Amino acid sequence: GAVVSQHPSWVICKSGTSVKIECRSLDFQATTMFWYRQFPKQSLMLMATSNEGSKATYEQGVEKDKFLINHASLTLSTLTVTSAHPEDSSFYICSASPGTVTTEAFFGQGTRLTVV
Amino acid sequence: SQQGEEDPQALSIQEGENATMNCSYKTSINNLQWYRQNSGRGLVHLILIRSNEREKHSGRLRVTLDTSKKSSSLLITASRAADTASYFCATDVNDYKLSFGAGTTVTVRA
Repeated sequence: GAVVSQHPSWVICKSGTSVKIECRSLDFQATTMFWYRQFPKQSLMLMATSNEGSKATYEQGVEKDKFLINHASLTLSTLTVTSAHPEDSSFYICSASPGTVTTEAFFGQGTRLTVV
Repeated sequence: SQQGEEDPQALSIQEGENATMNCSYKTSINNLQWYRQNSGRGLVHLILIRSNEREKHSGRLRVTLDTSKKSSSLLITASRAADTASYFCATDVNDYKLSFGAGTTVTVRA
């Protein structure tokens, strides 16, 4: 199957700093990628849809200035958590699909962010 | 927003037994998918069933879909310790977005 690589797999940062997470589709092009957030023992909550060459679409309640998304190429989307606070600590996962919505989504390995 | 509800929340079974979990959703769908997540990892796609399908098999997995009841079930037969994971159903709402259920945590005891 298609491969989506997410980096880093874990990161610890200090409050007030920014953290960038990368999501790459390794063997297919993705005009659209998705960013999710997952709290312990909970489901995935969609944060935003990353669109190649245009602005990301954010879900209700997600601060776009807090979570900056850039999708500059067909194989790379980045999520930057700006001015991180302890409450931003979470598991962030990206996904992409090589085709339409009727095909499966491929997920990155996830990034465990801990803000201290 | 999430539209899937899953039950049970947690399931503990003996190796070799079958595991069944259910998913209900609220709005019309094009398809429903099931994913597995091992602890602290990303999700792995298991199976996709289209809205015009009622049952689908893949190895030891059997998925049913009842669009009149807006529900789906996932059956894992002859479970193994490696099946220990969380299982999520996901529906495509619109614009290629997936909405995930709350998940069922399955523990298979050796």
